[in-house]
Amino acid sequence: GQNIDQPTEMTATEGAIVQINCTYQTSGFNGLFWYQQHAGEAPTFLSYNVLDGLEEKGRFSSFLSRSKGYSYLLLKELQMKDSASYLCAVMDSNYQLIWGAGTKLIIKP
Amino acid sequence: SAVISQKPSRDICQRGTSLTIQCQVDSQVTMMFWYRQQPGQSLTLIATANQGSEATYESGFVIDKFPISRPNLTFSTLTVSNMSPEDSSIYLCSVEPSGYQETQYFGPGTRLLVL
Repeated sequence: GQNIDQPTEMTATEGAIVQINCTYQTSGFNGLFWYQQHAGEAPTFLSYNVLDGLEEKGRFSSFLSRSKGYSYLLLKELQMKDSASYLCAVMDSNYQLIWGAGTKLIIKP
Repeated sequence: SAVISQKPSRDICQRGTSLTIQCQVDSQVTMMFWYRQQPGQSLTLIATANQGSEATYESGFVIDKFPISRPNLTFSTLTVSNMSPEDSSIYLCSVEPSGYQETQYFGPGTRLLVL
């Protein structure tokens, strides 16, 4: 079966760095997405990785290792507004998105 | 990207009734998707709606319960039929803008509570 694993919840301190991991087992691979979802709002697109390596976009970076079925989202200089759920999703060989359950990130002052 | 609106933003409905949710996009898009997200859960794809063809439903979802229309490239509706409390959820429309096959953009969601 297809499976996306990410931690249920993480806590970090304002100004610090946090890494949210995602491991996946899917039938084929056509890219991995990270979305941010604030409570009561729709998910918003953060990043897309299809090749191995690190993609940096401001305070957020996303890493992919296809051989290991592994990705992480790195958030630097954490701000209170970064408190949200972070969803990992993989596009399989049928170009269908397989969604993880999301990681709830709590930022403390 | 694309700007997506949904109506209604929220509703409270009685068991056995039906609700139609509208999704409007500010540009023409080939692929539109309908998702359900129950509290504290991730997204579950209900169906994919392409203009000019029947919607494709995922396992566990059927057309009689969730009929979908896609009359043009900027609009779609999802109807939740014969509702029960188990249908209480957030329903999200998303689009994959034409010409960029991968990224999906989401509407604000419709929060449905069935009593």
